[in-house]
Amino acid sequence: NAGVMQNPRHLVRRRGQEARLRCSPMKGHSHVYWYRQLPEEGLKFMVYLQKENIIDESGMPKERFSAEFPKEGPSILRIQQVVRGDSAAYFCASSEGVDGPQHFGDGTRLSIL
Amino acid sequence: ILNVEQSPQSLHVQEGDSTNFTCSFPSSNFYALHWYRWETAKSPEALFVMTLNGDEKKKGRISATLNTKEGYSYLYIKGSQPEDSATYLCAPPGATNKLIFGTGTLLAVQP
Repeated sequence: NAGVMQNPRHLVRRRGQEARLRCSPMKGHSHVYWYRQLPEEGLKFMVYLQKENIIDESGMPKERFSAEFPKEGPSILRIQQVVRGDSAAYFCASSEGVDGPQHFGDGTRLSIL
Repeated sequence: ILNVEQSPQSLHVQEGDSTNFTCSFPSSNFYALHWYRWETAKSPEALFVMTLNGDEKKKGRISATLNTKEGYSYLYIKGSQPEDSATYLCAPPGATNKLIFGTGTLLAVQP
């Protein structure tokens, strides 16, 4: 029973490029959450999706960031025109329902040159 | 905005010592509290989800208690081992089940 799968594990982009981070939730999980850990900071919520719907995006910057969780395929966190301040570890988590634990992937370390 | 505090920030113990740390959270509108263990270079691992006042949960040598009326939870580790070295995070869910993480307690267990 595979856990939450994130890819790539490491991603390097130059300023102005686009970054796409993928997350496949655990089998049977329809709730996906994205969190970000900026350097020297803790985990901060970004967005919560439930199959094809964005439930809460209050933690996601209004510009350049978007997220989706299509009916088929992984959830995608997309960052357009990346800047140095986007360098962080991005973690995805999934849960079966709203009450249970959230299971985390290994994260994607994004570095902006 | 939920204010979650964990103490101490860091803790150094000897192998075999028992230890505990605290998570404080707003007691009003309490819904649940999650505990996670986060080892360096790995992903956060879910330990417990606690919901009821007075709840006590146990997983091996790790246990946790919950007081929703005064807004705190304790995590206990009995007979610490080097493999227990990690950051321990607590997180009450905010609205829509997003987790609001505390800053964590960094535990280092010396062999």
